[in-house]
Amino acid sequence: DIQMTQSPSSLSASVGDRVTITCRASQGISNYLAWYQQKPGKVPKLLIYAASTLQSGVPSRFSGSGSGTDFTLTISSLQPEDVATYYCQKYNSAPFTFGPGTKVDIK
Amino acid sequence: EVQLVESGGGLVQPGGSLRLSCAASGFTFSSYAMSWVRQAPGKGLEWVSAISGSGGSTYYADSVKGRFTISRDNSKNTLYLQMNSLRAEDTAVYYCAKGNTMVRGVTRYYYYYMDVWGKGTTVTVSS
Repeated sequence: DIQMTQSPSSLSASVGDRVTITCRASQGISNYLAWYQQKPGKVPKLLIYAASTLQSGVPSRFSGSGSGTDFTLTISSLQPEDVATYYCQKYNSAPFTFGPGTKVDIK
Repeated sequence: EVQLVESGGGLVQPGGSLRLSCAASGFTFSSYAMSWVRQAPGKGLEWVSAISGSGGSTYYADSVKGRFTISRDNSKNTLYLQMNSLRAEDTAVYYCAKGNTMVRGVTRYYYYYMDVWGKGTTVTVSS
């Protein structure tokens, strides 16, 4: 099975900073990659699918890129409401594995 | 409004069984793949199982294969997860989630990313 890794596992940044999270697949998955945001105590929310397509209603400061094995989620200007854990997920074929998550907080 | 409401969680002894349900509304249920995702206390998201819109294709994580069965009743707009031989490590919040779909020509393609999630139901396996 394809393994998903994320780095870093956690980060602390200032409001307004540019934040980048990396997701890596152990084998190529084309662009079948989604990103989710889970705020503390809340249900996960879809941010991006097809590696770079922004889900409707998601702020434009979020963007995704990549293809094959390496992907990034970028927050162009970190806001206090972005404090959350971010997960990537592959969906090219089963198992539809999630990455271990990256916890983002405010410095 | 698209809505997913899970039910059926609770406390069960190791080796026991539970059946989770997920009532869907606000979309054409039979056209979309559906998934179950769980989250153990303080842990990350774990994909558990998925099913195509017709129910003809089902998928399982290795951790639940042979113990859990996913199914759906498109006439009732309801998704199910039958969980047998439960273990302490199955303790988690279980989320029902909607997938996506695309039709090209006469072929329907299912995409197993999750664009709508329920609020979850808690399963605790303990003696």
